[in-house]
Amino acid sequence: KAGVTQTPRYLIKTRGQQVTLSCSPISGHRSVSWYQQTPGQGLQFLFEYFSETQRNKGNFPGRFSGRQFSNSRSEMNVSTLELGDSALYLCASSPQGGVYNEQFFGPGTRLTVL
Amino acid sequence: SQQGEEDPQALSIQEGENATMNCSYKTSINNLQWYRQNSGRGLVHLILIRSNEREKHSGRLRVTLDTSKKSSSLLITASRAADTASYFCATSGGSNYKLTFGKGTLLTVNP
Repeated sequence: KAGVTQTPRYLIKTRGQQVTLSCSPISGHRSVSWYQQTPGQGLQFLFEYFSETQRNKGNFPGRFSGRQFSNSRSEMNVSTLELGDSALYLCASSPQGGVYNEQFFGPGTRLTVL
Repeated sequence: SQQGEEDPQALSIQEGENATMNCSYKTSINNLQWYRQNSGRGLVHLILIRSNEREKHSGRLRVTLDTSKKSSSLLITASRAADTASYFCATSGGSNYKLTFGKGTLLTVNP
């Protein structure tokens, strides 16, 4: 099976812009989770989707949003970008959710906000 | 705040030695997982241990869980240069569908 793919791999934006990141899970996986990784805060949970429903959301402002499509592919959007949004954004998929079994991570999207 | 806290933050050993990393957490959990990350890339799942288990093995990896002390340890035996990576513990509890990661231990294995 193909692994989790994320596009784009690298992105440079300026403050105030918005960005959309995409994640394609492993075929058959219905759960997709998103994480933000920074040197200062480490890995922080953004949200988790299962069968197009958001089941949980982390402590991030409303500028961070996501959705999941019927084919389980997921997108996350960050509006009005701030310098502090520069990070590695990771998505992970699993059959039922990462709290029950292992998550399979994509390579990440490296976002730089100038 | 992070649920899991790994200790030490960094560890440097020679090839062939064993490496032990510890993870402490604050609240009750359903399971605890260990992941590895090579230099800014995606995470790779290593092992999952459920709250009713005390020890699990996978190849050169041994994980223990002590729920009374709210702690876990990851032992890598006979380490190799290719084991150089950051290691994270992640916990889940209740039904909040959320994995909470610690800040990780950076392991360097010198050839």
